[in-house]
Amino acid sequence: EVQLVESGGGSVKPGGSLRLSCVASGFIFSNAWMSWVRQAPGKGLEWVGRIKSKTDGGATDYAAPVKGRFTISRDDSNNTLYLQMNSLKTEDTAIYYCTTNNYYSMDVWGQGTTVTVSS
Amino acid sequence: QTVVTQEPSFSVSPGGTVTLTCGLSSGSVSTTYYPSWYQQTPGQAPRTLIYNTNTRSSGVPDRFSGSILGNKAALTITGAQANDESDYYCILYMGSGISVFGGGTKLTVL
Repeated sequence: EVQLVESGGGSVKPGGSLRLSCVASGFIFSNAWMSWVRQAPGKGLEWVGRIKSKTDGGATDYAAPVKGRFTISRDDSNNTLYLQMNSLKTEDTAIYYCTTNNYYSMDVWGQGTTVTVSS
Repeated sequence: QTVVTQEPSFSVSPGGTVTLTCGLSSGSVSTTYYPSWYQQTPGQAPRTLIYNTNTRSSGVPDRFSGSILGNKAALTITGAQANDESDYYCILYMGSGISVFGGGTKLTVL
């Protein structure tokens, strides 16, 4: 069974940093494209970014609101996806979901981890 | 900046059929946008229903189908059930590595 378990969420002050992790199991992680999606309280889903598999070049892409502040990376030896978030803003407050990809769509979703940015 | 549009809300009677759409503020949706659809109930993670326009995700009943209708992507639910009452989101691949979600449709079954 494919499973994704996010961790690393918490409370942080504006301007601070946080690193989220997503441990994957049940599939060949190194072959997978992966994405992060977030959802602010009471709002809709927002695509954050994507990382391709190393065999497909390992490129990353980001949504405009997070580009230059967030970095997606992967550790294929430990089946783990990361989201490094710097210069956090109050509007980054959200549940952050890790997902597998199928083409340019999301496939399997984790349960999410909550990030709160507040002074 | 192009916006992905969805109906804010929709209602359907139990047993009925409903079609939700996913469009662009400028231009037409085609298969090259790789439209996909997600269902989310309150307090739960989203669930993938349809990817690559019309391919059902594993375990999704065939009451759910995806297509291109006119200049929009569409999600059709036939034989609506009470537990279909959820928020539905589409996402489009805009090119250059960027994907954008629509604002979501709140579906009521009554």
